[in-house]
Amino acid sequence: DTGVSQDPRHKITKRGQNVTFRCDPISEHNRLYWYRQTLGQGPEFLTYFQNEAQLEKSRLLSDRFSAERPKGSFSTLEIQRTEQGDSAMYLCASSLFRTSGIHEQFFGPGTRLTVL
Amino acid sequence: TQLLEQSPQFLSIQEGENLTVYCNSSSVFSSLQWYRQEPGEGPVLLVTVVTGGEVKKLKRLTFQFGDARKDSSLHITAAQPGDTGLYLCAGGNTNAGKSTFGDGTTLTVKP
Repeated sequence: DTGVSQDPRHKITKRGQNVTFRCDPISEHNRLYWYRQTLGQGPEFLTYFQNEAQLEKSRLLSDRFSAERPKGSFSTLEIQRTEQGDSAMYLCASSLFRTSGIHEQFFGPGTRLTVL
Repeated sequence: TQLLEQSPQFLSIQEGENLTVYCNSSSVFSSLQWYRQEPGEGPVLLVTVVTGGEVKKLKRLTFQFGDARKDSSLHITAAQPGDTGLYLCAGGNTNAGKSTFGDGTTLTVKP
């Protein structure tokens, strides 16, 4: 396994269109996270899954955003009716749940979204 | 809300110099990770520190977790151009899913 993969790497869309991103985690990892990063800032948490259950969603995640992980493997993040403010790098990370409570997250290369 | 402040925001040095960057919070974290990120790529995990006062070394990089687990530092000895990048710290808590990230220190090492 070569790590977390994300597709596409770049997406340019027009305002009002819907977009969907895919993340494939490290195969043995049961936790999957989505973050958003804008220029000059660190990643901001959006949501995370443990297996197929979505356990937490940030208030940043408006109703236009939806994430799924239907079989506990890959995940998709959909943004409906995109706005220019949605332009950002969308990062996916995965980790292995440990009873120690220490969850080291490994990131994919990100999907750069540009909304025109 | 837990916040992590990183300083300095930008650092530009010559090859061979030493440097230290800082990650500070008013909150306690059960673990803290340091990442390096290059433009257009995702963050790459460098180290995790867990115990207050812990020091970890990764070649020329030395990471320290504060005694109270509220702050951390990253020291680079004899910096090289390949060290150029955005250094991010991220704090986590036991049984919490998300990590809280600082806004990073952008390091430029000039040859």
